[in-house]
Amino acid sequence: GAGVSQSPSNKVTEKGKDVELRCDPISGHTALYWYRQSLGQGLEFLIYFQGNSAPDKSGLPSDRFSAERTGGSVSTLTIQRTQQEDSAVYLCASSRSGTGTNRLYGYTFGSGTRLTVV
Amino acid sequence: AQSVTQPDIHITVSEGASLELRCNYSYGATPYLFWYVQSPGQGLQLLLKYFSGDTLVQGIKGFEAEFKRSQSSFNLRKPSVHWSDAAEYFCAVGAGITGGGNKLTFGTGTQLKVEL
Repeated sequence: GAGVSQSPSNKVTEKGKDVELRCDPISGHTALYWYRQSLGQGLEFLIYFQGNSAPDKSGLPSDRFSAERTGGSVSTLTIQRTQQEDSAVYLCASSRSGTGTNRLYGYTFGSGTRLTVV
Repeated sequence: AQSVTQPDIHITVSEGASLELRCNYSYGATPYLFWYVQSPGQGLQLLLKYFSGDTLVQGIKGFEAEFKRSQSSFNLRKPSVHWSDAAEYFCAVGAGITGGGNKLTFGTGTQLKVEL
């Protein structure tokens, strides 16, 4: 697609429920990133995909968080047993390549999913 | 580990006035530096980036930034601000990560308000 698409744009869920957030990167972009933007923590790196592999998942805050990417394209971030502290905007970004100097050419971000846990 | 400091949380300028947003970074090697802008309800848009070479880089929307290694700074500037520039601005430093990729470490952002 023309840009990075994220769905849903807003999600309200009850504490303890599971949620899935979806990211559709720009066609042909092999590198995909998830970040979380919250009031207290700013923008935090969560996970990086190169193709379908996740070489760096060091930013996932707990084992309740997981992510996968299929077909080198769509990625899903899953949060199990949501807690109120999970409330944040989850941003997805993609770039042309995660390797070589291309990796340094900045990302294209989606508009994010605003997650509210009540 | 790398870090970015944006000392100004909020800045207010009059339309037509000049603008400078401050960014200081900490990084052990040659930094790869970025400025992003975020309008309400939107994702982040890349304004400009610095990798090497000319220390004054030009970006979109009339913005420029100057890399000063001696001051560990990468300040964003615009000669004449427009009301549509009101947004939040983020400075970021990039570092390579295991398996490729480029992890960005962001500053806490500067909220720009433009008075008409």
